[in-house]
Amino acid sequence: GQQLNQSPQSMFIQEGEDVSMNCTSSSIFNTWLWYKQDPGEGPVLLIALYKAGELTSNGRLTAQFGITRKDSFLNISASIPSDVGIYFCAGQLWGGSEKLVFGKGMKLTVNP
Amino acid sequence: DVKVTQSSRYLVKRTGEKVFLECVQDMDHENMFWYRQDPGLGLRLIYFSYDVKMKEKGDIPEGYSVSREKKERFSLILESASTNQTSMYLCASSLGSPGDYGYTFGSGTRLTVV
Repeated sequence: GQQLNQSPQSMFIQEGEDVSMNCTSSSIFNTWLWYKQDPGEGPVLLIALYKAGELTSNGRLTAQFGITRKDSFLNISASIPSDVGIYFCAGQLWGGSEKLVFGKGMKLTVNP
Repeated sequence: DVKVTQSSRYLVKRTGEKVFLECVQDMDHENMFWYRQDPGLGLRLIYFSYDVKMKEKGDIPEGYSVSREKKERFSLILESASTNQTSMYLCASSLGSPGDYGYTFGSGTRLTVV
């Protein structure tokens, strides 16, 4: 099945640092979503993007829907220990689908 | 808030056993999904259902079956559990097009087959 190319696969950072991650695809998407999975839990939706070029913030998180509709990025500013977890990008293909396509996830470790 | 409840957080089963993983959602969502999550492989879709008694194969359906007799409940069945089915299993649901609201996930069931 199709998967998004998500990078980096993991990051180890110090508390207070900023984090950037992105997802790319050769296909066009009409929606991009970013999820966070805390250890031992299911993923939870952080941000949803619906228009090409859209920039959306949720607290210290900022995400953008790429102009080409083939990519998206997520930034976390001033990281804190509770940011630890796995971050997934997901998208709905252009033309609609009952399913989302997911990236493999980015595992974030924050050292206090 | 929508809630997706998976019946067990941890399960240990023996090779060859028939295993049932249950998932219930409480907000009348049409679509329900079963994924397995393994390190380095991300989320892989096993089966999904967009209506009662309807089911569609995902990317890795082999060794699994599903049942959706009621709208709120979607069960994953391992007909004869094997050690390579040891994994984290995640259930999700969505209202209409998943691009509108995304999926709501359950907390997961960590299955160990010994």
